[in-house]
Amino acid sequence: NAGVMQNPRHLVRRRGQEARLRCSPMKGHSHVYWYRQLPEEGLKFMVYLQKENIIDESGMPKERFSAEFPKEGPSILRIQQVVRGDSAAYFCASSVDRPPYEQYFGPGTRLTVT
Amino acid sequence: AQSVTQLGSHVSVSEGALVLLRCNYSSSVPPYLFWYVQYPNQGLQLLLKYTSAATLVKGINGFEAEFKKSETSFHLTKPSAHMSDAAEYFCAVSSNTGNQFYFGTGTSLTVIP
Repeated sequence: NAGVMQNPRHLVRRRGQEARLRCSPMKGHSHVYWYRQLPEEGLKFMVYLQKENIIDESGMPKERFSAEFPKEGPSILRIQQVVRGDSAAYFCASSVDRPPYEQYFGPGTRLTVT
Repeated sequence: AQSVTQLGSHVSVSEGALVLLRCNYSSSVPPYLFWYVQYPNQGLQLLLKYTSAATLVKGINGFEAEFKKSETSFHLTKPSAHMSDAAEYFCAVSSNTGNQFYFGTGTSLTVIP
């Protein structure tokens, strides 16, 4: 059973470009979570999605960030018009829809904005 | 809303010494509790989980944690630290409905040879 897949593993973007981060959950998992981690800092929750639904986006910046989890295909975290402050590691996690809801993490995408 | 507090953002132990990483949660209803480990430049890996089946939970790599409802704690321990245990450790709590998942701020463990 493949784990959570994220790609690309490393992404370099110039200021003003768009960044698209993809996450394929574990087989059988219907919940996807995105987190951001800055160097020497903990995990910051961004958004929680189920198929075709955003359940909780309370951690998402109001502008430039969006996320989706379509019926088919991976979940996408999209950052428009990136700025240097967006440089971070972005982690995706997935879980099943039953207790105890433990999350399994992907290896992360390290975004560098130049 | 639930929250998780990890006391001590940095912990150093000598190789072979006891490892104790502290975690306290706030919840009126016993939640589900987890410990994760993160090695440099990697994602988080589940170490162990508490699901109310047993208060003492054994995980991978020799770690264990004890759920103490009276103290609202879920501290992580390992009898003898190895150099390979050096990593960041995160405590987390999930609500009974699974709609909310909270991570602590993490504890960086250093193992001194």
